[in-house]
Amino acid sequence: QKEVEQDPGPLSVPEGAIVSLNCTYSNSAFQYFMWYRQYSRKGPELLMYTYSSGNKEDGRFTAQVDKSSKYISLFIRDSQPSDSATYLCAMSPSGGYQKVTFGTGTKLQVIP
Amino acid sequence: GAVVSQHPSWVICKSGTSVKIECRSLDFQATTMFWYRQFPKQSLMLMATSNEGSKATYEQGVEKDKFLINHASLTLSTLTVTSAHPEDSSFYICSATGRADYGYTFGSGTRLTVV
Repeated sequence: QKEVEQDPGPLSVPEGAIVSLNCTYSNSAFQYFMWYRQYSRKGPELLMYTYSSGNKEDGRFTAQVDKSSKYISLFIRDSQPSDSATYLCAMSPSGGYQKVTFGTGTKLQVIP
Repeated sequence: GAVVSQHPSWVICKSGTSVKIECRSLDFQATTMFWYRQFPKQSLMLMATSNEGSKATYEQGVEKDKFLINHASLTLSTLTVTSAHPEDSSFYICSATGRADYGYTFGSGTRLTVV
């Protein structure tokens, strides 16, 4: 079993839809949770990071962490064609200095 | 915000030659840098972790004599692919961090093609 499981997609939605991206994990030591967006042939770009359980909102993006279920989500409201990319969840036992474990990424396509 | 510059963005080299990739943190001191490799449609695979002034820690299965990592300063780490072969062709990405409470900042990646 992988430490982090993420549905690779692809996920296609119409413009304006609410998108839900999810990851499950098995390592209870994970405390920091991140979501990255990666466009083709580019490095990942940090979208959100959260510590422990709870919700965090930034513009059209909301990240949720449920440590009791070992489940994290990223919601995108009013999705735009420019949101089309691969979204990677990532997590770490602590911030900064420890290595991060990535999900395989979910490819999202927002259709105009 | 934190910016990591990675160069070159793409490189083509002949089999048997060596290629150096640079990763620079532009506006923060990167105490730790990570080097990843990414194959098409796959996630990032951590190759090694480097801390400034010390030897890099390589992940299992990564040849340290083939992938030389130097982290000589708080703003620069380099990855040298020695005696490159076509199977080394991949997308290499660095990331850097300097704070315990911040997400990792990635470089833009280097696409290496060995012919």
